Amino acid sequence: DADVTQTPRNRITKTGKRIMLECSQTKGHDRMYWYRQDPGLGLRLIYYSFDVKDINKGEISDGYSVSRQAQAKFSLSLESAIPNQTALYFCATSDNRRVGGYTFGSGTRLTVV
Amino acid sequence: GDSVTQMEGPVTLSEEAFLTINCTYTATGYPSLFWYVQYPGEGLQLLLKATKADDKGSNKGFEATYRKETTSFHLEKGSVQVSDSAVYFCALRGMDSNYQLIWGAGTKLIIKP
Repeated sequence: DADVTQTPRNRITKTGKRIMLECSQTKGHDRMYWYRQDPGLGLRLIYYSFDVKDINKGEISDGYSVSRQAQAKFSLSLESAIPNQTALYFCATSDNRRVGGYTFGSGTRLTVV
Repeated sequence: GDSVTQMEGPVTLSEEAFLTINCTYTATGYPSLFWYVQYPGEGLQLLLKATKADDKGSNKGFEATYRKETTSFHLEKGSVQVSDSAVYFCALRGMDSNYQLIWGAGTKLIIKP
């Protein structure tokens, strides 16, 4: 099993629908992150969580919400999907050490029509 | 605040050419530096890292040296292959960002046979 698992891998949804993307990890990391990547662009941080009770907005949180159900689970919701939320979404985890890297999931490709 | 600047792409090279992708950073203290790679259709993977000045990270024939005097962490490879075609991200992790990764914009590398 992958260290960081995202579901679904691909999703097509209609404008106005609520959708949830899920992320689970087996790394035992406290920190989890949701990123968005648009074609030809870099990563933009949506939300991050340093532990179960600590959730913070990133640079592009409008239109999104998150839930940290357990140390291992961090889900991202689009309350009312719109076409410009069509993108690739990545979940990542890390410890809190300066020297540690992030571990990424394989991504969810979301299309809003 | 902390920031990372990397050369714009795409960078197009012929197979067996020498590769350099420039990365410079701004940070206080002693951040760790990372290179991540994203192959087409996949998530990001840690390629290499360096955690203190003059350290050299290496992996899969790629190298990067942490140069504090020039605040740089350039990625190099002596002879690239078609399979190296990917997007490469430089990143740092330091105290000022509460040990979150600060990302460069990414550089797309295209290797032609």
